[in-house]
Amino acid sequence: AQSVTQPDIHITVSEGASLELRCNYSYGATPYLFWYVQSPGQGLQLLLKYFSGDTLVQGIKGFEAEFKRSQSSFNLRKPSVHWSDAAEYFCAVAANTGGFKTIFGAGTRLFVKA
Amino acid sequence: GAGVSQTPSNKVTEKGKYVELRCDPISGHTALYWYRQSLGQGPEFLIYFQGTGAADDSGLPNDRFFAVRPEGSVSTLKIQRTERGDSAVYLCASSPPGDNEQFFGPGTRLTVL
Repeated sequence: AQSVTQPDIHITVSEGASLELRCNYSYGATPYLFWYVQSPGQGLQLLLKYFSGDTLVQGIKGFEAEFKRSQSSFNLRKPSVHWSDAAEYFCAVAANTGGFKTIFGAGTRLFVKA
Repeated sequence: GAGVSQTPSNKVTEKGKYVELRCDPISGHTALYWYRQSLGQGPEFLIYFQGTGAADDSGLPNDRFFAVRPEGSVSTLKIQRTERGDSAVYLCASSPPGDNEQFFGPGTRLTVL
């Protein structure tokens, strides 16, 4: 069974600083990997996804993530954070066997200070 | 176009009552998912439909929870004999054919008193 760990419950960064949110997954084969963002009062929005191919994936809002099989990681990065990026971020993993059961991590809340 | 819609947006009920939560997926989306999100947690998978059939219901916590999708579009999540621990936001998502990307609705906040 797949599982996801987001080690950081919350992170605070200064506006304009770089960001990296950590995600580790457990799955026996190459999984489907996702990052979602959830702003207060908003629904979950997909930032990016990895299915296969290039291990560095680009997403919306200037985010990117890198799949590292050897580390079972899929960390999310952004070179320069904006105040509007303050939100909850969820990493998720789904099996690639035809069923699409998706397991989410507990989330990392991002605070942005001026 | 219209996104995933969920009704009601909020539901307050008493312990022991029966509730139904409705999800209208994006038109043409064949896959539909239900999740439960408790405060401070990530969404927890409940059930996944492909068309009319439940392809994976392994996340339903017990037999008080049941979901249907009789015509392959709208889905209803049914909870019998509600308990205070059922209080959470219930999320619905849908996916187009052949794609894993899930589009989420705004959720229904269920409060069991």
